[in-house]
Amino acid sequence: SYVLTQPPSVPVAPGQTARITCEENNIGSKSVHWYQQKPGQAPVLVVYDDSDRPSGIPDRFSGSSSGNTATLTISRAEAGDEADYYCQVWDSSSAHWVFGGGTKLTVL
Amino acid sequence: QVQLVESGGGVVQPGGSLRLSCAASGFTFSRHAMHWVRQAPGKGLEWVAFIHYYENNKFYVGSNTYYADSVKGRFTISRDNSMNTLYLQMNSLSAEDTAVYYCAKSPPDAGYLNLWGQGSLVTVSS
Repeated sequence: SYVLTQPPSVPVAPGQTARITCEENNIGSKSVHWYQQKPGQAPVLVVYDDSDRPSGIPDRFSGSSSGNTATLTISRAEAGDEADYYCQVWDSSSAHWVFGGGTKLTVL
Repeated sequence: QVQLVESGGGVVQPGGSLRLSCAASGFTFSRHAMHWVRQAPGKGLEWVAFIHYYENNKFYVGSNTYYADSVKGRFTISRDNSMNTLYLQMNSLSAEDTAVYYCAKSPPDAGYLNLWGQGSLVTVSS
């Protein structure tokens, strides 16, 4: 079955760039989606289909995917970006929607 | 206002049953696939179940459902398009099912979940 691996935590200084990775064999062949979840709140979609942004999501959030790694990039990080971030794909072989384990972004 | 509102959570004894509901508004419910996703306390997101609904010239054709291995055979996802409501029937509950349960929607033919409800807490405890 598909297992998406994310780092447990990523620190970033305010104004700097954070990169959160999501790894699985040949993930570049799938569409990868990213969600932001702040404490006590429901997840919010921030990037879909590898690199597209829903309306209302700042262009500081961007995504890319190639080979075995997908990456969510957060530019000019702000205190309000502190949250858990999850990657997700649809695994056609099992007809399952799969989430990564999540990454806690800390803005120092 | 486009939103999803879950209800029906609570405390249930091990081996018991519970039915969650998710009321949809602000969009054409019948044209969207729907999911249940859960999150155990302090843990990550776990996809639970999916249901689609197929129309052909506005007549019901059929539906597909899929389940996570951890709930298959115990949970049943269903929908009432006339009531704009999604359901999750949960049977044979155990402590491992304790979680916040979210309903979420996907646009037609999309693999992502673009709108989530606020969640409903289910606690399985004696």
